[in-house]
Amino acid sequence: DAGVIQSPRHEVTEMGQEVTLRCKPISGHDYLFWYRQTMMRGLELLIYFNNNVPIDDSGMPEDRFSAKMPNASFSTLKIQPSEPRDSAVYFCASSPGTFGEQFFGPGTRLTVL
Amino acid sequence: AQKVTQAQTEISVVEKEDVTLDCVYETRDTTYYLFWYKQPPSGELVFLIRRNSFDEQNEISGRYSWNFQKSTSSFNFTITASQVVDSAVYFCASRNAGNMLTFGGGTRLMVKP
Repeated sequence: DAGVIQSPRHEVTEMGQEVTLRCKPISGHDYLFWYRQTMMRGLELLIYFNNNVPIDDSGMPEDRFSAKMPNASFSTLKIQPSEPRDSAVYFCASSPGTFGEQFFGPGTRLTVL
Repeated sequence: AQKVTQAQTEISVVEKEDVTLDCVYETRDTTYYLFWYKQPPSGELVFLIRRNSFDEQNEISGRYSWNFQKSTSSFNFTITASQVVDSAVYFCASRNAGNMLTFGGGTRLMVKP
């Protein structure tokens, strides 16, 4: 069974450009999470969905960030416009049920020049 | 609000030594789950264990063992007879009924041959 799939694995872009990160959760998992990892702030939860509905987006840094989950098998995290301080590794995770363990994707390393 | 503290930012041991990684959590919830994740140099986050707040039994899995003590709000992780492949960053995390997974700052373990 495939794990959580993220694309791209690496993204280098210039300040001001739009960036879209993609995630395919594990089939059957009804929770999807987006995290950001930086040296300064560690692992931070940005937003999570339950059954495709955003439940808590209090971790989203600012309006430049948006996330969607149009169906159970796909989610996107968009940054527009991107800034150098957005450089980080972005992880997507999914879990079955309320207290199920979260399985993480390999992450997308974003560099904004 | 939840908080997870991993006071040891970095630990260095020689192969075959035992090592304990400390984790202290804070929560107002009576129902919660605690987790440990491993992040090897390759960057992915690997799930190791989940414990719920009602089960204080210690757990052993091969060379890994976990000591959960509600009285001290601790969930410590011990690696017995450490190996070079154990070198990684280890994260402790807690999750409440709101599904918010809060990570500690991580402990970088270096096992030298």
